[in-house]
Amino acid sequence: GAVVSQHPSWVICKSGTSVKIECRSLDFQATTMFWYRQFPKQSLMLMATSNEGSKATYEQGVEKDKFLINHASLTLSTLTVTSAHPEDSSFYICSARVDSTNQETQYFGPGTRLLVL
Amino acid sequence: GDSVTQMEGPVTLSEEAFLTINCTYTATGYPSLFWYVQYPGEGLQLLLKATKADDKGSNKGFEATYRKETTSFHLEKGSVQVSDSAVYFCALSDPYSGAGSYQLTFGKGTKLSVIP
Repeated sequence: GAVVSQHPSWVICKSGTSVKIECRSLDFQATTMFWYRQFPKQSLMLMATSNEGSKATYEQGVEKDKFLINHASLTLSTLTVTSAHPEDSSFYICSARVDSTNQETQYFGPGTRLLVL
Repeated sequence: GDSVTQMEGPVTLSEEAFLTINCTYTATGYPSLFWYVQYPGEGLQLLLKATKADDKGSNKGFEATYRKETTSFHLEKGSVQVSDSAVYFCALSDPYSGAGSYQLTFGKGTKLSVIP
């Protein structure tokens, strides 16, 4: 149980285009999902916290107009990288918090590797 | 703010060797502590956790004990296997940090390579 999927697993796009990444909790409902960015050989950097039915909370330094997050249902959150540039190339990872008494555990998706040319 | 410091890698061990990856933390309140593992090409997986002082988390032969007095949560395994090769992340969740939503703060990760 507690499986989180991401789609696509990798994407290559041209500079200036927008890319949407989906994060789904497959066998549980997740009122809270998180989006991270991971640079090579570095830790995960929390970008934003996504709550179903409300606006995402962005971490300091993360541009909310560039990284659009929509948490439309209890099993789906999307991250859209708008007008992507080469510096947005990274590994994007989502996680979902299981909405139960065991509230502290997050389950992670396999990640999406984005390359902007 | 909260932070996690873990030993820098990479760590290279022979099969059946003893593993220790050090992790220390600073936190506002009383955090829960986690070890996550990331196998090559995969996402993070929860390896083990501990929610209060002196708790021991264990899974797949790995263990870590929540030491409040030394603010540490070192990961250990008595005999590593080649299949343990991965990146290991120490993390904490501090409900008193003000961040809310049980956000995780990660260490930088330690890459472990186990050779036959």
